Amino acid sequence: DAGVTQSPTHLIKTRGQQVTLRCSPISGHKSVSWYQQVLGQGPQFIFQYYEKEERGRGNFPDRFSARQFPNYSSELNVNALLLGDSALYLCASSLWVLGPSTPADNEQFFGPGTRLTVL
Amino acid sequence: GQQVMQIPQYQHVQEGEDFTTYCNSSTTLSNIQWYKQRPGGHPVFLIQLVKSGEVKKQKRLTFQFGEAKKNSSLHITATQTTDVGTYFCAAPGGYQKVTFGTGTKLQVIP
Repeated sequence: DAGVTQSPTHLIKTRGQQVTLRCSPISGHKSVSWYQQVLGQGPQFIFQYYEKEERGRGNFPDRFSARQFPNYSSELNVNALLLGDSALYLCASSLWVLGPSTPADNEQFFGPGTRLTVL
Repeated sequence: GQQVMQIPQYQHVQEGEDFTTYCNSSTTLSNIQWYKQRPGGHPVFLIQLVKSGEVKKQKRLTFQFGEAKKNSSLHITATQTTDVGTYFCAAPGGYQKVTFGTGTKLQVIP
């Protein structure tokens, strides 16, 4: 089975532009989360989506938005890019469900990430 | 908000030496996860601990969850060059809002 896939691999934008990043979860996974990882730091939670609805949001400005499609793939959009948005953007999927779940459902599988550079 | 700190920030060891990283949370945790991220790679799930005082082993790796469920540790016995990377603890919050620790970067000198 294929793992989590993300596109594009690398992206260079200038300040003020907008960017869309894409993620396809592992087949059977309905939960998708997005993280931002600045160089030298741990991943920071941005969003979780489950069944096309936002279930969790981290401490990020409204310039960041996301959505999930019926096939559970997801897009992350960032508007009005700032230099500080330069980072590795990671997508993770899991078997997490809304309702009773087992601890194993919490295991997140990360994609290779999209490296965004804002000039 | 929830804070998860790890020490040390960096660790250089000779191949064959042991390594330990410690994780401390500002709040009591329902469970804790550990991830490894190789240089240039993405985080890879290692394990999840749920019970107070739980100890789990994976070959040369030993994971421990504190009795008060506010701290955890990862110990690697006889490090190998393949152990190089950054080790993160991660504390799940509501839904899957996971707070990652600050990470410990391990360098193994052959």
